Amino acid sequence: AQTVTQSQPEMSVQEAETVTLSCTYDTSESNYYLFWYKQPPSRQMILVIRQEAYKQQNATENRFSVNFQKAAKSFSLKISDSQLGDTAMYFCAFRSGYSTLTFGKGTMLLVSP
Amino acid sequence: DAGVIQSPRHEVTEMGQEVTLRCKPISGHDYLFWYRQTMMRGLELLIYFNNNVPIDDSGMPEDRFSAKMPNASFSTLKIQPSEPRDSAVYFCASSFEAVPYEQYFGPGTRLTVT
Repeated sequence: AQTVTQSQPEMSVQEAETVTLSCTYDTSESNYYLFWYKQPPSRQMILVIRQEAYKQQNATENRFSVNFQKAAKSFSLKISDSQLGDTAMYFCAFRSGYSTLTFGKGTMLLVSP
Repeated sequence: DAGVIQSPRHEVTEMGQEVTLRCKPISGHDYLFWYRQTMMRGLELLIYFNNNVPIDDSGMPEDRFSAKMPNASFSTLKIQPSEPRDSAVYFCASSFEAVPYEQYFGPGTRLTVT
């Protein structure tokens, strides 16, 4: 069974600074997908970014980028130029093939002025 | 597209009552998922459907929980009888097989059982 571990229950950052959220996973699969979802206080789950394991290039979406280390089974999320609206719970998730998503426990990110 | 629609957004009920949560997936999506989120257990997959057929219900906590998908545009999650420990946020999500790696979530239903 796959497991996803987020070792940081809470993180704080000031506006305009950069923050990195950590995620590690365990799998014996070779082809899989990794995601970061954001859950703001509205509780809506929003997809932030995804990474296909077969792609060596790290995914980027505007201020959000990942550092995907396949051998280390690590998938961290970097948020640049943090904004107040980035305050949310962030979930790392894993999916292999057509299986279901496995979520980590989440990291609460607080962006302060 | 309106996205995944869930109703009600909030439900407060007394222990022992029947609760029905509803979900309308995104049109054209052929997978539908029901999740439960609590502080203690995080996000848990309860059941998922493919083309209206239940594929895996191993996450359903017990026989008090049941889910149906009578057609491609509607699904229900029913709890009967409800208990205080069922209090949680319940999410519905849908995805399209041709893009198997992305699930779209509804806004969730916050259920409180007193």
